[in-house]
Amino acid sequence: SQQGEEDPQALSIQEGENATMNCSYKTSINNLQWYRQNSGRGLVHLILIRSNEREKHSGRLRVTLDTSKKSSSLLITASRAADTASYFCATPLTGTASKLTFGTGTRLQVTL
Amino acid sequence: DTGVSQNPRHKITKRGQNVTFRCDPISEHNRLYWYRQTLGQGPEFLTYFQNEAQLEKSRLLSDRFSAERPKGSFSTLEIQRTEQGDSAMYLCASSLIRGTGANVLTFGAGSRLTVL
Repeated sequence: SQQGEEDPQALSIQEGENATMNCSYKTSINNLQWYRQNSGRGLVHLILIRSNEREKHSGRLRVTLDTSKKSSSLLITASRAADTASYFCATPLTGTASKLTFGTGTRLQVTL
Repeated sequence: DTGVSQNPRHKITKRGQNVTFRCDPISEHNRLYWYRQTLGQGPEFLTYFQNEAQLEKSRLLSDRFSAERPKGSFSTLEIQRTEQGDSAMYLCASSLIRGTGANVLTFGAGSRLTVL
């Protein structure tokens, strides 16, 4: 079963705009991670946020976590065509070192 | 270290045939995972190993699926008597777990299976 669910399922923006995607999950977590997947490729880890953190930045990425609402958001600022990919949130089912379960993903298309 | 390597990258087979995928993880990683991903969906967990021990198998993993990780190094995923519903991308990932640290996965590029 999938723990997380991303919203929207698909997002199309122009280069330079910001992209926001959301993730909701079901059970208590110790951390939440975001991964990117280019078409037909494996997933690449982007950023991890721990349950005691509310916001985290990495380059053009900003992640927030609201454990009371069991939700997270990923913001990509000043998007580029190269950001076109699917984005997945992932959470450990139990504990910090548990296997990760992935959401259904948001497909982001950035056009010139 | 060249990351996680998967072979073959693509496999087309006829229904009823057996197929085997290989995964070479990052050498210092102690955990190895197999996931399956169908079009438009997120990866679904199949099984994982800590060193050579297979610690968990998903209910998705029918009796036709078997995974091994001899000597805690590379892993193989075999699918016997393939069915059209087995068509998917099979992803391997590895991680290094230390104590209660978070589990960050490094994925391979995947092996795409098409069953005709």
